[in-house]
Amino acid sequence: GAGVSQTPSNKVTEKGKYVELRCDPISGHTALYWYRQSLGQGPEFLIYFQGTGAADDSGLPNDRFFAVRPEGSVSTLKIQRTERGDSAVYLCASSLGRGPRQTQYFGPGTRLLVL
Amino acid sequence: KNEVEQSPQNLTAQEGEFITINCSYSVGISALHWLQQHPGGGIVSLFMLSSGKKKHGRLIATINIQEKHSSLHITASHPRDSAVYICAVRLLSTYSGGGADGLTFGKGTHLIIQP
Repeated sequence: GAGVSQTPSNKVTEKGKYVELRCDPISGHTALYWYRQSLGQGPEFLIYFQGTGAADDSGLPNDRFFAVRPEGSVSTLKIQRTERGDSAVYLCASSLGRGPRQTQYFGPGTRLLVL
Repeated sequence: KNEVEQSPQNLTAQEGEFITINCSYSVGISALHWLQQHPGGGIVSLFMLSSGKKKHGRLIATINIQEKHSSLHITASHPRDSAVYICAVRLLSTYSGGGADGLTFGKGTHLIIQP
């Protein structure tokens, strides 16, 4: 597609359940980022992939969060044993390359609600 | 203390007014981004700055590296400009000297332009 896509657009789950959020970056973009945005706040960095490898996962809040990008394109953010505090919009972005002056293109986000 | 501070948090203005949104940061950066977020979550990159000034249509962005400050201006504002405007910085990496990987965001400025 022309832009970054994310699925599902909305996800409601119960506390303790496992969820997977998917990101399809722009074709050819080697860099992929996951961010989390809580209500009324700016996005917070979670993890960055360059190609297939997680180059920086310093933003993941704890070991319940994990992300993969096995073929260097689609990425999946996985959350185990979800908690109510995990409720947020999860944003994915991609850029053509790694440098600091690369424009990041954002997807529409997945709204996660943990009941 | 948030590394990126924006002001004002909320701004309501009349159509046609000149709008200024400010961003201050407290750390070394390699680049500063201005982003626009409409209701529903979609984020669009407006500008990427490392020095000086950029203009695109009715939008102007400036940055003063010495003062660690940037401004976003909107001339001849229009109701369709109503959105959240977010300042985000790419931190300087203390290890590589290049940009750290994820963006660090301000909380955003909620702008409403009334007809």
